[in-house]
Amino acid sequence: NAGVTQTPKFRVLKTGQSMTLLCAQDMNHEYMYWYRQDPGMGLRLIHYSVGEGTTAKGEVPDGYNVSRLKKQNFLLGLESAAPSQTSVYFCASSRSGRVGELFFGEGSRLTVL
Amino acid sequence: QKEVEQDPGPLSVPEGAIVSLNCTYSNSAFQYFMWYRQYSRKGPELLMYTYSSGNKEDGRFTAQVDKSSKYISLFIRDSQPSDSATYLCAMSASSYSGGGADGLTFGKGTHLIIQP
Repeated sequence: NAGVTQTPKFRVLKTGQSMTLLCAQDMNHEYMYWYRQDPGMGLRLIHYSVGEGTTAKGEVPDGYNVSRLKKQNFLLGLESAAPSQTSVYFCASSRSGRVGELFFGEGSRLTVL
Repeated sequence: QKEVEQDPGPLSVPEGAIVSLNCTYSNSAFQYFMWYRQYSRKGPELLMYTYSSGNKEDGRFTAQVDKSSKYISLFIRDSQPSDSATYLCAMSASSYSGGGADGLTFGKGTHLIIQP
């Protein structure tokens, strides 16, 4: 049982490049989330999804897009990467969306030069 | 307001000591409180979950919530080197973990080091 898997784990981009982070969960969870974690700041919610085909904005959505075409996958896209998007990105999933039920992936470390 | 304050540390204690980790908050609407443990280069994992005020114990871990003081604590008894990690507090006004004002608010985390 893999849980929540994120790919890639590490990536270096140049300013202006685009990329997609993939999150896959094998727990049949309805809810999925993308967070970013920066030094000196708490985890901040970027976007989330309450089910297949749905997406919603979180606290810091600017510069990111997401898609949830399949229930088990949640993609986070950066269309034109900026140095301010250098961060560690965490995907999480939840069966029912209740606090205290979040299962996190191991993170994707992104550096934008 | 969604601000949660947490001392980043590092907090270094000898093995076997009792550890006290704390968070303060300003939003009186928060009523769901969590502690996550995050090992280096890993994702957070839920350690303790409490609702409203009071204590909750799970093995060597005790979570305490004082809503009147807007203060939550995590105590670790008989601390072990394997407890060395960053501990994140998180809280919410709602049982729902979506976005907006009802979403989860995380503290910055406290880096804990248990010396063998």
